[in-house]
Parts: sequence; C-alpha cells; structure tokens
Amino acid sequence: QQQVKQSPQSLIVQKGGIPIINCAYENTAFDYFPWYQQFPGKGPALLIAIRPDVSEKKEGRFTISFNKSAKQFSLHIMDSQPGDSATYFCAAGNNNDMRFGAGTRLTVKP
Amino acid sequence: DAGITQSPRHKVTETGTPVTLRCHQTENHRYMYWYRQDPGHGLRLIHYSYGVKDTDKGEVSDGYSVSRSKTEDFLLTLESATSSQTSVYFCAISGGMVNTEAFFGQGTRLTVV
Repeated sequence: QQQVKQSPQSLIVQKGGIPIINCAYENTAFDYFPWYQQFPGKGPALLIAIRPDVSEKKEGRFTISFNKSAKQFSLHIMDSQPGDSATYFCAAGNNNDMRFGAGTRLTVKP
Repeated sequence: DAGITQSPRHKVTETGTPVTLRCHQTENHRYMYWYRQDPGHGLRLIHYSYGVKDTDKGEVSDGYSVSRSKTEDFLLTLESATSSQTSVYFCAISGGMVNTEAFFGQGTRLTVV
C-alpha cells in the first residue's frame, strides 16, 4: 500500500516551460513534505520542503503548493532549464516515518 | 555528499551469501538511515538509528539487520541475500528526526545472482 502517490511517472517539457509534479498522501499525521532531486548515479538531494501550516513556499524557481484538506501537494518549476532534467521524489513524513513517492523523471528539452 | 561515504559502491553476490554494506559519516549527525531504491517504489526505509546501539525497523526490514557501534558508522547486513534484494541502497544522515533535512550518500548498487 503506497502511502504517497506521485504523478506523472515521466514528464517532458521545453526549456522555459513550467513542469508540475503532483503528490497525494494518506496519513494525516504527516507533517513534513520535502521534495528531493536526484541526478543519475547520485543520491537524492533536498530541493525544498514545506510544513502543513502554509499553503505555498517558494525557493528560487521552485514552488511547493500544499492543500491540506485534499491531502495533496505539488512542485512547480518556473522557467525550467535543461539542467533541471533529473528524477524528482516527493515525500511525506512524521517523526521517523518518511514515505517517498515513486518518482518523476523530468526531461527539459533545449 | 555532506561527508557520507558508502562502501562498496558496487557489489555482485550469490544467493544465500551474507553481505554487509557500510555507511560512514563525518558530520557527527545523530540519525542514520538505510533506504533501498527500486523502480516504481521510490525510496523505502529499511532500518534507522537514533544513536549508538539504538536502532529501529523501517518499512521493509525483513531480511536485513543493522548495527551502529560508533556514531560515524552504520552497517547494513543481508543475512542471506536473495534476488529480491537486488537494489540500490542509500544511506542517509540527519541531525534530527525526519522533519529535518536528510543528506544522502551516493548509493551502493547490489546485484544478487
């Protein structure tokens, strides 16, 4: 039973486009929602994270939108660049229980 | 990679043999984690440690054991490797519980034949 569902599995956009990746979670006890970026051959690295007391958080070109009532959150990448091509994982957690989505492979074409 | 070293980086082993993966950190972080990454599943927590000799099970702990005798080292052992344990294994560290940033190592690709 996957507690965090992520979509789409893969995404292709043109440079400058705004890819959106969506996640839904089940456990209402989760109170930390990070997004990780992973390049081939590397470990995941924290990109941005949000807590449920806010509905949106921006860091540079990356924005998380959070809908607590719907138990959904999403990542938007503004003005996407070829260097953003990577796999993105959403996660949701509480204490030492962190559940990851299955990942989205993003390709940004020049 | 935030002072995290995983060894080995690649290993091929035979079914039924024991395997130990090592995670070494230089950050003096209290929490250490072992995850496995499989296509379609993202990352799944195997075991974690919240201090020397203090460990607990994660989501997919069956067939795995861990030990932490020093702050800087966290070992993952596959008692008797099976083909279903073929995966990429990641170690992670954090200064606090899951609600703080976790730093990941570069991973160990394990193939069980």
